[in-house]
Amino acid sequence: EVQMVESGGGLIQPGGSLRLSCAVSGFSVTSKYLSWVRQAPGRGLEWVSVVYSGGGTYYADSVKGRFTLSRDSFKNMLYLQMNSLRADDTAVYYCAREDSVIRAFDLWGQGTVVAVSS
Amino acid sequence: DIQMTQSPSTLSASVGDRVTITCRASQSLGTWLAWYQQKPGKAPTVLIYKTSSVQRGVPSRFSGSGSGTEFTLTINNVQPDDFATYYCQHYQSYSYTFGQGTKLEIK
Repeated sequence: EVQMVESGGGLIQPGGSLRLSCAVSGFSVTSKYLSWVRQAPGRGLEWVSVVYSGGGTYYADSVKGRFTLSRDSFKNMLYLQMNSLRADDTAVYYCAREDSVIRAFDLWGQGTVVAVSS
Repeated sequence: DIQMTQSPSTLSASVGDRVTITCRASQSLGTWLAWYQQKPGKAPTVLIYKTSSVQRGVPSRFSGSGSGTEFTLTINNVQPDDFATYYCQHYQSYSYTFGQGTKLEIK
């Protein structure tokens, strides 16, 4: 089955670190463009980061220098290492696959909740 | 950075209505404009890509159009399952931007 399943969310204090995971099945993490997209409570969607099939990674300005996206081809996993977390990082974090032909996100996980609070 | 502004923020409609949601960009876009539907507690699903192409499995009552800085999503004959929030999204130069969303609610 083709799916993406996130895990690793939780409650973390400001300034702390958290690593999100996205387990991918049905396709290789190195064959597709994969992103993290987040949604703060009651707010809209915000793109966070992308890794392209060639390995290049890019970040939104709001997380640049604090978040690191990586992938493990053997485990077929996508990760988001989040450091120096702030209250405004509180959100549901989705991993999403981008179809490189249509340049749209055609597959999403169910999301994992990150809450940054003291 | 390109800003995407959707209007209206909320739209009230009845079953059977035709509704249009607009997405305006702060500068002229290429064709990489997509539309998504999101229901409460669920991940978004893509409806339209490349401005006007309907994703496989999406009902034909959904259509997209536009160019330059103004794009629209039209839903003909709104069905009960269509009451949700809709987002436009643009890709350019290794960056992705979403509109702020339009909630379609029952009148």
